[in-house]
Amino acid sequence: EPEVTQTPSHQVTQMGQEVILRCVPISNHLYFYWYRQILGQKVEFLVSFYNNEISEKSEIFDDQFSVERPDGSNFTLKIRSTKLEDSAMYFCASSIPGQGKETQYFGPGTRLLVL
Amino acid sequence: AQKITQTQPGMFVQEKEAVTLDCTYDTSDPSYGLFWYKQPSSGEMIFLIYQGSYDQQNATEGRYSLNFQKARKSANLVISASQLGDSAMYFCAMRARAPGNQFYFGTGTSLTVIP
Repeated sequence: EPEVTQTPSHQVTQMGQEVILRCVPISNHLYFYWYRQILGQKVEFLVSFYNNEISEKSEIFDDQFSVERPDGSNFTLKIRSTKLEDSAMYFCASSIPGQGKETQYFGPGTRLLVL
Repeated sequence: AQKITQTQPGMFVQEKEAVTLDCTYDTSDPSYGLFWYKQPSSGEMIFLIYQGSYDQQNATEGRYSLNFQKARKSANLVISASQLGDSAMYFCAMRARAPGNQFYFGTGTSLTVIP
């Protein structure tokens, strides 16, 4: 069964450094998403992406964040200058709207730790 | 505004018994989808079940069923014949408006299955 993959599974970085989190959505999906989950808290929406542009973003997704689909398979989240409070699990998800359930399928997550 | 509420931070159930996890939602959109995800200690988000706002029947997926009461705006998850592997966090989520839009998550319920 096709699944969303994410790399790396864990990332440790120093405050102020740039990080790029990578995702490979399910191949025939059209919508891509990033969510984050701070330890012990609920999952929060960051951004959705469709047709090579951002379709929706939350107030969390400020200027230090950016997303890109550099080729036909990868979807990346870049954090330009990481802060301590960026430490969280980051989930990528994808969906194929119009196909019944319109479910978002999540990847296994990247656990980011900013020191 | 969209809102999901899960009022049970933690639940315990005896193995082989059934358990109900509560979820209420609030939205003014007539079209929406309701989802349940399971998050084991390893961290991934596993899709369990979906209910559309126009669906006439309650959704079922194996041992999972969704008790959808539209007038009460509730979408409770029922797990029958609990197994030890069901011990995890369970998140209720809602997608309002058009497909491709963000999911709103509740704060989750931690389920522990007792042998």
